[in-house]
Amino acid sequence: GAVVSQHPSWVICKSGTSVKIECRSLDFQATTMFWYRQFPKQSLMLMATSNEGSKATYEQGVEKDKFLINHASLTLSTLTVTSAHPEDSSFYICSATSGTSGRANEQYFGPGTRLTVT
Amino acid sequence: AQKVTQAQTEISVVEKEDVTLDCVYETRDTTYYLFWYKQPPSGELVFLIRRNSFDEQNEISGRYSWNFQKSTSSFNFTITASQVVDSAVYFCVLRDTGFQKLVFGTGTRLLVSP
Repeated sequence: GAVVSQHPSWVICKSGTSVKIECRSLDFQATTMFWYRQFPKQSLMLMATSNEGSKATYEQGVEKDKFLINHASLTLSTLTVTSAHPEDSSFYICSATSGTSGRANEQYFGPGTRLTVT
Repeated sequence: AQKVTQAQTEISVVEKEDVTLDCVYETRDTTYYLFWYKQPPSGELVFLIRRNSFDEQNEISGRYSWNFQKSTSSFNFTITASQVVDSAVYFCVLRDTGFQKLVFGTGTRLLVSP
């Protein structure tokens, strides 16, 4: 149990276009989802926290107009990179957590999405 | 502020050697959680262990063992008899009990050669 999927696993897009990444909790309801970014040979940095049905909370330095996050249901959150540029090329990882007993506070990670902007 | 320091950027060992990955953390919270994750070349994070701040017992799981010392704010990870498949980046992670935010260390890249 506790599986989180991401789609696509990798994507290549042209500079100036937008790309959407999906994060799904497959066997539990995720009240909170987190989005991380990881540049090559670096650590994971939290970008934003999203709660179902409310606006995402962005970390300092993350442009909310560029990285649009929608957590419309308890099993799906999306990250849209708008007007992507080569410097947005990175590995994007989501994690999800539920508030249900026994799994409270556990975060389950998706497999990541590798974005390359040409 | 919370912070996790993994001073070893990269470690190279030969198969069957033992290796210890260091982790030092900073937090003002009295209750917190510590984790270790493995990230192989595929990129997917693999959960290894979780420890809460009230449980200082060391733990052993197969070839893996963890030494949690609250007095020195350290949570070190030892791999015994390393194998090539252990080659990966290992992250030490700190989490508070409130906002559930994870603070990742910078990671230690372990290279195990045959």
